[in-house]
Amino acid sequence: DMKVTQMPRYLIKRMGENVLLECGQDMSHETMYWYRQDPGLGLQLIYISYDVDSNSEGDIPKGYRVSRKKREHFSLILDSAKTNQTSVYFCASSPSTAQYFGPGTRLTVL
Amino acid sequence: GDQVEQSPSALSLHEGTGSALRCNFTTTMRAVQWFQQNSRGSLINLFYLASGTKENGRLKSTFNSKESYSTLHIRDAQLEDSGTYFCAAEAGGQGGSAKLIFGEGTKLTVSS
Repeated sequence: DMKVTQMPRYLIKRMGENVLLECGQDMSHETMYWYRQDPGLGLQLIYISYDVDSNSEGDIPKGYRVSRKKREHFSLILDSAKTNQTSVYFCASSPSTAQYFGPGTRLTVL
Repeated sequence: GDQVEQSPSALSLHEGTGSALRCNFTTTMRAVQWFQQNSRGSLINLFYLASGTKENGRLKSTFNSKESYSTLHIRDAQLEDSGTYFCAAEAGGQGGSAKLIFGEGTKLTVSS
């Protein structure tokens, strides 16, 4: 089974704190993604990574940065989190066709 | 920009009945994926189609890229089919680097 993992699953932070969300996949997929989902909406793309150290902005990159130093890991970083970054964050990876999603991280910024 | 229009936004079915969900695209898309988001919030892959029709159990999906739409048919609905169904269309890019554009989802409620 194709598996994408995310840590942590739940996180509460205060405004201004730094946040690190981690994603892993064991399928050697080159391409990985970070999305956020807000209530009643579909997913919005934050960043795409085509491989190690090869990242590209998605549709809503402002306030976020990413890091991919190994093919199997893709991190999403919020420097100085804001309350409007409260959301559910999903990571996905793709072998070149379908995208496979992790279970999500529910982030609350107070 | 590129958009995915999904309908209906909500759907109620009795067990054993069926219906269809639809996504219309404002531009030509390369492929479409359908997901079920369950009560835990997990996104479950249902189908990936670059063309034609696929069937899996009580679910069947069609993607017509020329006419810019995709459908998901559910037959003999069961309680566990409840959840929110998303279509997501693949626009541009090469291979796995393509972006997915999500519809806003159809909230399906199956009752006994």
